[in-house]
Amino acid sequence: DIVMTQSPLSLPVIPGEPASISCSSSQSLLHINGYNFLDWYLQKPGQSPQLLIYLASNRASGVPDRFSGSGSGTEFTLRISRVEAEDVGIYYCMQTLQGITFGPGTKVEIK
Amino acid sequence: QVQLVQSGAEVKKPGASVKVSCKASGYTFTGYYMHWVRQAPGQGLEWVGWIDPNSGGTNYARKFKGRVTMTRDTSISTAYMELNSLGSDDTAVFYCVRTYFDTIGPLGFDYWGQGTLVTVSS
Repeated sequence: DIVMTQSPLSLPVIPGEPASISCSSSQSLLHINGYNFLDWYLQKPGQSPQLLIYLASNRASGVPDRFSGSGSGTEFTLRISRVEAEDVGIYYCMQTLQGITFGPGTKVEIK
Repeated sequence: QVQLVQSGAEVKKPGASVKVSCKASGYTFTGYYMHWVRQAPGQGLEWVGWIDPNSGGTNYARKFKGRVTMTRDTSISTAYMELNSLGSDDTAVFYCVRTYFDTIGPLGFDYWGQGTLVTVSS
C-alpha cells in the first residue's frame, strides 16, 4: 500500500500570512498520462471534509484562489497565500493511484 | 443541487452487522462512483471501498475485504454499505462520497454525505 505522510502535523497560522503543508508518498503518484493522482481536502470542525485540490494542482469548483497545489512524483505542497480565519481545520492529502490512502492530517489553527 | 443524504446513527452490539444508506439527488446517480470513507472518533480518514452504480462493480480496501458489501438500487438512487462482524474498533462516522472518473483520472471526492455515526458497544 502507498503510505502518505504530512508535515507539519500541527500548524499555527496568522491571518493574512501565507501557510504551506507538505505531503509525501512512499511511491510516485505520477500516472503514465502525466497527471499526479493526489488530492487535498479540508475538514472544518464538525463538518464533512471538502475537496480543495484534485490531481495535485487543480482547484475544485468554488475553492478560493488563495489555495494552490503543486508538486509531482512523491512530494506535494498545499499553499494558502493569505490565511483567513475560516481556513482552520484539518487538511488531508489523499492518493488515488493505487487504491486510496489518506495522509494523517495537518491541524491548522489560528496563532 | 447535489445532495448525498445518509441514514441515521446506529448502535450495534459486537458481532452484529450494520447497513448504512446514502440517497443521492441532483445528479445522474449512475454517472459517478460512490465511495465510503470511515473516520473513528478523533482520528483521520480511512477509505473503505467504492461501488460503480452503473455496473454494480465494487472495489474494497484490503482491510475490509470479506467483511464489507456495497450495493446500490438505481431505481431510488441509493447506495448501501454493509459491514459485518462489528468490533468496538469499528465505532466511527461513515461517509458516502461521490467522484467522477474522467479520461485524465478521478476528479476528487467532490460531494460528501453528512456522515453516519455507527457505535459498537455491548
